[in-house]
Amino acid sequence: DTGVSQDPRHKITKRGQNVTFRCDPISEHNRLYWYRQTLGQGPEFLTYFQNEAQLEKSRLLSDRFSAERPKGSFSTLEIQRTEQGDSAMYLCASSFMGDQGEAFFGQGTRLTVV
Amino acid sequence: QKEVEQNSGPLSVPEGAIASLNCTYSDRGSQSFFWYRQYSGKSPELIMSIYSNGDKEDGRFTAQLNKASQYVSLLIRDSQPSDSATYLCAVRNYTGGFKTIFGAGTRLFVKA
Repeated sequence: DTGVSQDPRHKITKRGQNVTFRCDPISEHNRLYWYRQTLGQGPEFLTYFQNEAQLEKSRLLSDRFSAERPKGSFSTLEIQRTEQGDSAMYLCASSFMGDQGEAFFGQGTRLTVV
Repeated sequence: QKEVEQNSGPLSVPEGAIASLNCTYSDRGSQSFFWYRQYSGKSPELIMSIYSNGDKEDGRFTAQLNKASQYVSLLIRDSQPSDSATYLCAVRNYTGGFKTIFGAGTRLFVKA
């Protein structure tokens, strides 16, 4: 299967702990996106990469969130000092470079902060 | 005003009927438009993309785009119970970057 892969699928953490999620995009895709989704809402854009460059970051993203894509392949999203409001599904997607590149999502990582 | 607006539903249609899902967007410069299907607890799955005004058909699905009215729709013909899901409209303006903005989704129920 050459789809987008995310790990872990589920994460339960205590408030104040740091968590890190991993995303492996479709191998030919240059662009990688992170989204967050809460119940009843659509995915909310967090950040995206073109190869290893982080080109855009949501203004809504606090300094506790950081993402990397060091070699232009997999990406990590870290949340420091987690809060209960961080509980959500974290979605990764990837696409070809190109104006019409369609984005395909991974299975998501469901984070619960207790 | 939200950037991408959808009626949250639920929209309920009988099996075999046509389901019509609508979406409006605020950014006139948007160039790419997508429909995703999301089952409860799962991630979004791309079902249609459309880039120019008019209709685009793929099997039982037809996407319609009217950029002048800033309106995009999805028709599902011969609706099946397995089509019951949340349908997300997504819009991209690539001249401002490549982030894709999603609506909150419309829940569709197809009654057997």
